[in-house]
Amino acid sequence: DTEVTQTPKHLVMGMTNKKSLKCEQHMGHRAMYWYKQKAKKPPELMFVYSYEKLSINESVPSRFSPECPNSSLLNLHLHALQPEDSALYLCASSQELDRGRTQPQHFGDGTRLSIL
Amino acid sequence: AQKITQTQPGMFVQEKEAVTLDCTYDTSDPSYGLFWYKQPSSGEMIFLIYQGSYDQQNATEGRYSLNFQKARKSANLVISASQLGDSAMYFCAMREGNSGNTPLVFGKGTRLSVIA
Repeated sequence: DTEVTQTPKHLVMGMTNKKSLKCEQHMGHRAMYWYKQKAKKPPELMFVYSYEKLSINESVPSRFSPECPNSSLLNLHLHALQPEDSALYLCASSQELDRGRTQPQHFGDGTRLSIL
Repeated sequence: AQKITQTQPGMFVQEKEAVTLDCTYDTSDPSYGLFWYKQPSSGEMIFLIYQGSYDQQNATEGRYSLNFQKARKSANLVISASQLGDSAMYFCAMREGNSGNTPLVFGKGTRLSVIA
């Protein structure tokens, strides 16, 4: 079992729907991340939060909207997605952002998102 | 130029044998961390092992060891006594520097299949 919990595990939505992905960790980590992973590809970084503030946005389209309500939670709000957004969405956390080279990121199980 | 290169798209190994997964990296930063992750078909990314650029010893974690050759910029993962459950995708990743704004960069991965 991973210490980063993601819900839901699977999500099917239409292009006009609004949905949210949720991520929770209770390891006291202060950096949290969203990644997108297409089949047979490595994860691609989307967003990074450090101490609940957005630190990195890798030029992600505005139809993806991250939110960090507190140090344990990270949401990804989805609206008007396209079929090419179908992918595995992974959440990760690490102790602190500024010591990233020495600290592993711990990943959740991911949400498999399918856009119809 | 790719920062992380994994030259083996797929590998086969007999159960109980050892296997080496190759990883070379490219950086001019003297401070960096190298990480290996395992991703089974279910999707979760499992942290396996970490090696810091200043570490004198090769990292080991149970059946996993990292063959770190700094001058060659290689960080190969060695799995001893392979088990059927080791069948998965394996990603090598690197994070440079001490700044919080450097991302974790992944290689393209190696798919390992353990044969009974």
